[in-house]
Amino acid sequence: RKEVEQDPGPFNVPEGATVAFNCTYSNSASQSFFWYRQDCRKEPKLLMSVYSSGNEDGRFTAQLNRASQYISLLIRDSKLSDSATYLCVVNPGGGSQGNLIFGKGTKLSVKP
Amino acid sequence: DTEVTQTPKHLVMGMTNKKSLKCEQHMGHRAMYWYKQKAKKPPELMFVYSYEKLSINESVPSRFSPECPNSSLLNLHLHALQPEDSALYLCASSQDYPAVTGELFFGEGSRLTVL
Repeated sequence: RKEVEQDPGPFNVPEGATVAFNCTYSNSASQSFFWYRQDCRKEPKLLMSVYSSGNEDGRFTAQLNRASQYISLLIRDSKLSDSATYLCVVNPGGGSQGNLIFGKGTKLSVKP
Repeated sequence: DTEVTQTPKHLVMGMTNKKSLKCEQHMGHRAMYWYKQKAKKPPELMFVYSYEKLSINESVPSRFSPECPNSSLLNLHLHALQPEDSALYLCASSQDYPAVTGELFFGEGSRLTVL
């Protein structure tokens, strides 16, 4: 099982749709979790951290399920500008703490 | 605009050339990183510098040689590269290493083509 797995997509959705991405991780001792966004031919940027209690930032909601070892990202009322690749990132902790592990990313395309 | 600046943005080099990639940040961050990213793949960690000392080398071939002249600068020296080394090379920084907040600030990258 890969350390961090994501559905590569693409997810093609109309403007205004709600879309959700999941990400699974293999190391149950993983410490912290993040979603990054990467636009085409640009650098990754932190979108949000993911907390056990779940957290929301405007149209974006992130949740963590430690028992099932997955995190999710929900985007409501999708905008054209949300089109990007969303990278799930895990801090495994332990001896390799600090070496963030990036998933392969889920590509989202929002259409008019 | 990113607060991590990388030069050059594009580089084409032959297999016998020697070139360098440069990265600069003025956020007072104490950790700097080099990542390599191929198309449709996630970034792969190459090196980590913490307080100007090499902390992590992810078994990178010696044809890639990092250098951290001071806390704001990070270089990647390239020599005798192979065509398969063609990729986007991303520099990043974080407040500290480990990046406990998970926030890495990436530069826009240097797109390298090896002929």
